[in-house]
Amino acid sequence: GDSVTQMEGPVTLSEEAFLTINCTYTATGYPSLFWYVQYPGEGLQLLLKATKADDKGSNKGFEATYRKETTSFHLEKGSVQVSDSAVYFCALIYGNNRLAFGKGNQVVVIP
Amino acid sequence: GAGVSQTPSNKVTEKGKYVELRCDPISGHTALYWYRQSLGQGPEFLIYFQGTGAADDSGLPNDRFFAVRPEGSVSTLKIQRTERGDSAVYLCASSPQGGANTGELFFGEGSRLTVL
Repeated sequence: GDSVTQMEGPVTLSEEAFLTINCTYTATGYPSLFWYVQYPGEGLQLLLKATKADDKGSNKGFEATYRKETTSFHLEKGSVQVSDSAVYFCALIYGNNRLAFGKGNQVVVIP
Repeated sequence: GAGVSQTPSNKVTEKGKYVELRCDPISGHTALYWYRQSLGQGPEFLIYFQGTGAADDSGLPNDRFFAVRPEGSVSTLKIQRTERGDSAVYLCASSPQGGANTGELFFGEGSRLTVL
């Protein structure tokens, strides 16, 4: 079935470093793709999305481009802040109004 | 508050007991979803309501799990004869009608269930 795969393990980096979190998808067709974020003590919230190939989603300095050729939707930010420390989930829509999430990546930004 | 509210935030129960988890969605949101997040995993779809009816319950793992939304607002997830494998965080989300087609769901903080 349709699914997403995120890179393994937490990510620890220093403030102002460049962040990349890899996400690849398996799907029939070209579903909309999403990145959700969960800040400590809060519920999941939508960070950005892309609805078709070559679309770039962006928000709060984060970007992700829908790559049909590599079936990828990697999340990037050029200069992270301590406030970006959170868990990041890649997701796609499949079937009947359902979201399929990856396992998530814990990001820790050190001052 | 204006967000999705879930109660209880934490529930510890013994194997074999019955549990109810409550979700109060954002006012006016007609779509409501339940997801389950096990340790180290992403959220997994359980059930989706459009209004009062369960439009898709294909994610419920077995017949011990049941959910209702009698008035099209508050929803209750019910788990009978709990097992240790049911331990997880149960997430509720809501969206305006058709919201999941845009992918924007509004999640609560979840109810953490521990079955001893």
